[in-house]
Amino acid sequence: SQQGEEDPQALSIQEGENATMNCSYKTSINNLQWYRQNSGRGLVHLILIRSNEREKHSGRLRVTLDTSKKSSSLLITASRAADTASYFCATDSNDYKLSFGAGTTVTVRA
Amino acid sequence: ETGVTQSPTHLIKTRGQQVTLRCSSQSGHNTVSWYQQALGQGPQFIFQYYREEENGRGNFPPRFSGLQFPNYSSELNVNALELDDSALYLCASSLVGDQETQYFGPGTRLLVL
Repeated sequence: SQQGEEDPQALSIQEGENATMNCSYKTSINNLQWYRQNSGRGLVHLILIRSNEREKHSGRLRVTLDTSKKSSSLLITASRAADTASYFCATDSNDYKLSFGAGTTVTVRA
Repeated sequence: ETGVTQSPTHLIKTRGQQVTLRCSSQSGHNTVSWYQQALGQGPQFIFQYYREEENGRGNFPPRFSGLQFPNYSSELNVNALELDDSALYLCASSLVGDQETQYFGPGTRLLVL
């Protein structure tokens, strides 16, 4: 079973626009991570946010975490064609065994 | 590049056969995890190895087994293949002292006919 659920399932935006996707999870976590996957290949680690953090930035990425609502969001600002990919949230409940959601497929149109 | 490699890239097997997938991690990465990703789904945790011992298993039957070697390589073995085993298999390794961050390989796509 999958711990995280991403919303929306798919997102299509124009280059330069922002993309926001959400993740909800069910049990308590140690940290939450976001990954990108291009064309069904390997996962690339984007950002990790710990349970005692509320917001984190990395380049054009902004992640928020609300542990009271068991939810997180990933914002990609000023999107580029190269951002076209599937994005997954993954939760770690302090045992380093990641539990992934089904992902959000993002398409950035030129 | 994550420094984690997997072989082969693609593989076709028939139902009932056995398969071995391989993963090579970076030096110092003493934890390796394996994940199964069905088409259109997120990865599902199969099991994890730490210092050559199994360190946790997801909801997968015993016909999924693994090995981890001292040279930072590892194997995933699947016996009695079923059609539903068709998926992308990903290995991920992490470094001593930073086990929160997992570095994924490119995956092996297995098709069972």
